[in-house]
This record gives sequence, C-alpha cells and structure tokens, in this order.
Amino acid sequence: DVKVTQSSRYLVKRTGEKVFLECVQDMDHENMFWYRQDPGLGLRLIYFSYDVKMKEKGDIPEGYSVSREKKERFSLILESASTNQTSMYLCASSPSQGAWTYEQYFGPGTRLTVT
Amino acid sequence: GQNIDQPTEMTATEGAIVQINCTYQTSGFNGLFWYQQHAGEAPTFLSYNVLDGLEEKGRFSSFLSRSKGYSYLLLKELQMKDSASYLCAVGGYQKVTFGIGTKLQVIP
Repeated sequence: DVKVTQSSRYLVKRTGEKVFLECVQDMDHENMFWYRQDPGLGLRLIYFSYDVKMKEKGDIPEGYSVSREKKERFSLILESASTNQTSMYLCASSPSQGAWTYEQYFGPGTRLTVT
Repeated sequence: GQNIDQPTEMTATEGAIVQINCTYQTSGFNGLFWYQQHAGEAPTFLSYNVLDGLEEKGRFSSFLSRSKGYSYLLLKELQMKDSASYLCAVGGYQKVTFGIGTKLQVIP
C-alpha cells in the first residue's frame, strides 16, 4: 500500500509565524505535490516537485515556499503565516514517466488555522 | 490552462445508478482521473482514462470522449457509503488540475 504521511492533522498558528508542513512518501515516487483545499474552490496546486531539489510553482505559490532535499520528503513553508492561509493542506505523490503524471496518492491532510 | 466543469451537488437513491458528468477544456492532456473524497478525508484515486471509451471497475465505470472534452463517472447499485464528493481531474504536463467536485448524497 502506498503511504503518504503528513506531520500534523491539526495545527494552530499565529499571524506572522513561520510554519513548516512536512510530507513523507514511502513508494519511491518521483513527483510530489502540495495543494490547499477550500470550500467552493476545490483543490488548488501550490507547488510541485518532479525530482530531488527541483521545484515548480503551481497555480497559487504566493506566500509559500518548498523544499525537497530527499526523494521521499517534501516540505511546505509558510514564511509569515496570514489569516488567509487558513485552509486544509494536502500533500500527494505520484509515479511518472518522463514529464507526465499519473494517479496521485494523498496524505491525510493538515488543517491549519492562522489566528 | 485547464477549465473543468462538473455539477456541484447531486442526490440519488440507495440501490440506483447515478452518472456524474465532467467537461473540460485543456491545453495539454494526459488522461482524465476520478477521485472520491469523503468529508474530512483525503481524496482517493478511483479511475484513469487516457483513451476514448468505457473503463469498468466493479460498481464504478468511467467514460472518456477526448474529441468532446467529456467524461462521466457511473456508479451502480448505490450504497450509503458512496455519499462523498467526486473530483474530476485532468492530467497534463507534470501536473494535474482538479475540478471543484460533485457532492453526492445517497438517500435511503
């Protein structure tokens, strides 16, 4: 079974704090993704990575950065948390062939509240 | 870019059949995915269509017409546990774009 784990299920942070969300997958997948999910807006891609130390901006990268130092681990960083970053954050991994992506396996999600 | 449309909500009766439609416009296409997401949980992969036609997997089937930019997910013999959101997603170069999802309520 593919396993994607995230460091926290629930997190409460204050405005201006630096926040780290960690994601680990155990299937040796090349591709990893960070999404946020908000009611009425669906899943929106923040950043993705198709290899170690490689990263690409998704649709809404502003206010976020990422790090992929090892193949199995992909971290999302909120440099200075703001209330509009309150959301459900979902990490996913996927095998790939070349530049194309296939089915994604999601972690359980982290519900982040910024007060 | 990608533009994906699917109904926001649907209601169906236990034991019945329901079809959830998805239309898309895309600048790059590597297949059409369907995911199921129960409330408060992460999405789980259901099906993947890359060629035109019907793919059947137990009670669930998915259809794709690339020329029409159209897909549907067919759920047969509905069970209460099928109450969930169903996300249509289009695969492209290096990434996947998700629709907002269709919230399906199964009633007795």
